[in-house]
Amino acid sequence: AQSVTQLGSHVSVSEGALVLLRCNYSSSVPPYLFWYVQYPNQGLQLLLKYTTGATLVKGINGFEAEFKKSETSFHLTKPSAHMSDAAEYFCAVIINYGQNFVFGPGTRLSVLP
Amino acid sequence: ETGVTQSPTHLIKTRGQQVTLRCSSQSGHNTVSWYQQALGQGPQFIFQYYREEENGRGNFPPRFSGLQFPNYSSELNVNALELDDSALYLCASSFGGAKETQYFGPGTRLLVL
Repeated sequence: AQSVTQLGSHVSVSEGALVLLRCNYSSSVPPYLFWYVQYPNQGLQLLLKYTTGATLVKGINGFEAEFKKSETSFHLTKPSAHMSDAAEYFCAVIINYGQNFVFGPGTRLSVLP
Repeated sequence: ETGVTQSPTHLIKTRGQQVTLRCSSQSGHNTVSWYQQALGQGPQFIFQYYREEENGRGNFPPRFSGLQFPNYSSELNVNALELDDSALYLCASSFGGAKETQYFGPGTRLLVL
């Protein structure tokens, strides 16, 4: 069974600092990988996804993530945090041709002035 | 282009009752997935409908059932409500297969007393 772990349920960074949110997955076959963001009282919005091809994926709002098969990781980064980045971030994985999205438990990002 | 909408936004039920939640998919999308998000957790996949047929199911009991209509809107029905069913229920629509982007609605918050 596939699973997703996100290290750190709560991450705090200062405005302008690097954002690094960690995601590791367990899968015996190459997965599709996603990062979603959820603002309070809202649904989820896709930040970026990896399916095939280039392992460094760029998304919206300046976020990017790198698929590292050897480390089974898909960490999310942003060079400079903005106050508007404060939200809950979820990593998700789906096995090729499967329908079962598996979400991680989420990481709440706080951005301090 | 209309996004994914869900109704109602909030709902209070008592244990043992039945509930129906509704989702209108984004224009042009033929696939709808439902998720349960308990407080402080990541969304859990309930099931997916593709062209009116159930196309995958997560680890939820049969009292969770659904429908997809010819216009690709969908319903989630939950019978014999339990206290643990209290959660945010998210609907997501997409066009096509697993790697396609899912667009989420704002969710229905269900409280079971």
